[in-house]
Amino acid sequence: NAGVTQTPKFQVLKTGQSMTLQCAQDMNHNSMYWYRQDPGMGLRLIYYSASEGTTDKGEVPNGYNVSRLNKREFSLRLESAAPSQTSVYFCASSESVLYSNQPQHFGDGTRLSIL
Amino acid sequence: AQSVTQLGSHVSVSEGALVLLRCNYSSSVPPYLFWYVQYPNQGLQLLLKYTSAATLVKGINGFEAEFKKSETSFHLTKPSAHMSDAAEYFCAVSLMDSNYQLIWGAGTKLIIKP
Repeated sequence: NAGVTQTPKFQVLKTGQSMTLQCAQDMNHNSMYWYRQDPGMGLRLIYYSASEGTTDKGEVPNGYNVSRLNKREFSLRLESAAPSQTSVYFCASSESVLYSNQPQHFGDGTRLSIL
Repeated sequence: AQSVTQLGSHVSVSEGALVLLRCNYSSSVPPYLFWYVQYPNQGLQLLLKYTSAATLVKGINGFEAEFKKSETSFHLTKPSAHMSDAAEYFCAVSLMDSNYQLIWGAGTKLIIKP
C-alpha cells in the first residue's frame, strides 16, 4: 500500500521556469493538500482540495496553481519559478476536511531548488 | 487568531533520559490535537492524536501526550529516549472555526546524545 506518492523527489529549476509537482493517493481519501516546509516555519498550507472538483487557497497561495485531476491526483504548478519558492513541498491527504479528528497522511516530499 | 506554540526549536537529551516536548495552543473551543514525527528526508508520520476521549493518549514508539484544557497544552513525553527517536516533531491543532484546517507548530528538533 503506497499511501501518498509524490514525484519528482528532487528538482532544480532556473528562475522563470515552470514545472508541475505530481501527487497521487491510493487511500480513497476525499481531501488533499499541498504544503511547503521551510526551516523554522513549520508547514504552511498552499492550497487544498476538500473534494474532487473543488480547490481552495491556503495560507501562501501566491505563485502557485493547483488541479484536482480526479479523486486520486492533485497537482501543484509553479508557472514562473522564483528563488523564494525554494522549499520542500509535501502533499497530504485525509478522509475529509470536514472530519477534523482525522489525521493527514503525507508523501515523502519534493525538494525543489530555484536558482 | 489561533496559534500553536512549540517551546524550543531544539531539545537535546541523553539516551535513556526523559523526553518532554512542549506544545501550547490558543483556542476558545476544544480542539483536536496531533503530534507528527519527521525523520530526515522523509514525510510526516502521525505519532498520536487527541480527539476528546481520554486525556492521556498513547502513540507509537512509546510516546504519549496529555491534554490539559486548563493549561491549553498537549505536551509529548517518552520515559526513556532512544537514538532512533532523533527527528523533528510537530504539534498540530484542528479547530472548527479554521474550516477544519490544521494549524501547525514550528517544530522541535529532538537531539539524542549517546
